[in-house]
Amino acid sequence: EPEVTQTPSHQVTQMGQEVILRCVPISNHLYFYWYRQILGQKVEFLVSFYNNEISEKSEIFDDQFSVERPDGSNFTLKIRSTKLEDSAMYFCASSGTGRVLAQYFGPGTRLLVL
Amino acid sequence: GIQVEQSPPDLILQEGANSTLRCNFSDSVNNLQWFHQNPWGQLINLFYIPSGTKQNGRLSATTVATERYSLLYISSSQTTDSGVYFCAVVRAGANNLFFGTGTRLTVIP
Repeated sequence: EPEVTQTPSHQVTQMGQEVILRCVPISNHLYFYWYRQILGQKVEFLVSFYNNEISEKSEIFDDQFSVERPDGSNFTLKIRSTKLEDSAMYFCASSGTGRVLAQYFGPGTRLLVL
Repeated sequence: GIQVEQSPPDLILQEGANSTLRCNFSDSVNNLQWFHQNPWGQLINLFYIPSGTKQNGRLSATTVATERYSLLYISSSQTTDSGVYFCAVVRAGANNLFFGTGTRLTVIP
């Protein structure tokens, strides 16, 4: 069964450094998403991406965040200058179009900012 | 924004018992999904169920969209069912999932 993959599974970085989280969505899906989950809290929406542009973003997704689909398979989230409060699990998801709109989640990248 | 409330927040069951988890939402939705977050943090898709009833083994779910709630039934619970169960919805007109705060289930042998 097709699945969403994410790399790396864990990342430790110093405050102020840039990180890039990578995702490979399910191959025939057209909508891509990033969510995050701070430890012990609920999952929060960051951004959605369709047709090579951002379709929706939350107030969390400020200027330090950016997304890109650099080729036909990868979808990336860049955090330009990490802060301690960016420590979280970051999930990528994808969905197709049409009547079935279920979103499928990757296994997540656990980011720790020191 | 839309409110998604899950109950109970915590649930402890003896292995073999049945349970019902509830999700209430405050607005019309065009997507509702149930997830199980395992101890490694992975979100496992259980059901895509914007309306109606579905069953998958020991799990079943029912969504009554007109009354803005969904129920997840777990029968004959096993220790591997432990974890956090999240309900998440997409508000009509949007495409992002909005998650509830979850129900933490602990199944003891």
